Amino acid sequence: EIVMTQSPATLSVSPGERATLSCRASQSVSSKLAWYQQKPGQAPRLLIYGAFTRATGIPARFSGSGSGTEFTLTISSLQSEDFAVYYCQQYNTWWTFGQGTKVEIK
Amino acid sequence: EVQLVESGGGLVQPGGSLRLSCAASGLTVSTNYITWVRQAPGKGLEWVSVIYSGGSPYYADSVKGRFTISRDISKNTLYLQMNSLRPEDTAVYYCARVDYSNWFDPWGHGTLVTVSS
Repeated sequence: EIVMTQSPATLSVSPGERATLSCRASQSVSSKLAWYQQKPGQAPRLLIYGAFTRATGIPARFSGSGSGTEFTLTISSLQSEDFAVYYCQQYNTWWTFGQGTKVEIK
Repeated sequence: EVQLVESGGGLVQPGGSLRLSCAASGLTVSTNYITWVRQAPGKGLEWVSVIYSGGSPYYADSVKGRFTISRDISKNTLYLQMNSLRPEDTAVYYCARVDYSNWFDPWGHGTLVTVSS
């Protein structure tokens, strides 16, 4: 099983600041990496697929990068609606998720 | 618009059974891959099962032999039959469409399963 490790577990950021979230795979997943956003009481929502392609309707302030085993999700200027938990997911070999990074208001 | 609506969750005793449903609209279950993902309270996401368009089912090791995924094409609905339930199966269960390149989008709103005596 491919293990996905996200860091940090919690990220405290002020509105308007940049947030950088990391995701590491235990073995190469090529670019088969997605990012999801989940708000309390809601289902996850697809943000990024193919490591860097934004899903339909996702604002340009969200960007993804990386390949192989190291990936990054960057939110360039945090808006109030961006405070949530973010999960990475590999879909190279079945599917596994990271444990999530909570982005909270500083 | 693609929409997935789960139902069937509830409280069940350890060792009991429950069947979850996932009603689809805007897509045809027979030509799509559909998956189940669960989330224990306060925890992360765990892939549970998938059914491919050809009907082949696959399961996570944690539920293999206890859960069965199926579909009713006439009702455009997916099911997850859960037997021999354990307290650690307590979670919100989501169904989601698997894109042809294998990410999950969209997701249903989820249904809560609680296994407790």
